[in-house]
Amino acid sequence: NAGVTQTPKFQVLKTGQSMTLQCAQDMNHEYMSWYRQDPGMGLRLIHYSVGAGITDQGEVPNGYNVSRSTTEDFPLRLLSAAPSQTSVYFCASSLNYLDRAYGELFFGEGSRLTVL
Amino acid sequence: QKEVEQDPGPLSVPEGAIVSLNCTYSNSAFQYFMWYRQYSRKGPELLMYTYSSGNKEDGRFTAQVDKSSKYISLFIRDSQPSDSATYLCAMSAASGGYQKVTFGTGTKLQVIP
Repeated sequence: NAGVTQTPKFQVLKTGQSMTLQCAQDMNHEYMSWYRQDPGMGLRLIHYSVGAGITDQGEVPNGYNVSRSTTEDFPLRLLSAAPSQTSVYFCASSLNYLDRAYGELFFGEGSRLTVL
Repeated sequence: QKEVEQDPGPLSVPEGAIVSLNCTYSNSAFQYFMWYRQYSRKGPELLMYTYSSGNKEDGRFTAQVDKSSKYISLFIRDSQPSDSATYLCAMSAASGGYQKVTFGTGTKLQVIP
């Protein structure tokens, strides 16, 4: 059981380049999300999705795009990379995220991005 | 002011010590209170969660929630070198039909053999 798989694990970009971070889960989870983790800032939600075709913005969405065409995949696109986007990015999924129940978040191992 | 405050540490203790990790929060709407453990260069993993005020035990770990003081704690008894990790508190509240999770910044713990 692979869980949440993120690729690539490491990436170096130049300012202005675009790229896509891939996230796939094999647990049939409805909810998927992207976080960035920066020193002293903790985990901050970028975008999330509650099902195929449904996405919404989180706390820090600027400069990022997402789409959810299948239950399994939730890619994160950086449109024009900036040094401020240097961070560790985590994809997380959850089976049950309704407001009356708790859903454990399952995280991938992270993608380390450096923008020069 | 952040909704969730957590002392970043680092916290260094000898093996066998009792460790206390704490978070405070300001949002009264938080319903679920969680602790995630994150090993170096890995993703966070859920350690424990509680729904109401009180204590919850799981082996060497005890989670404590005091809603009146807006304060949560994680106690680790007989700490082991394998407990060395960053511990993230997290809290969630209903938002738009789903639970919105807010994380603390994490406390880095080192247990010295």
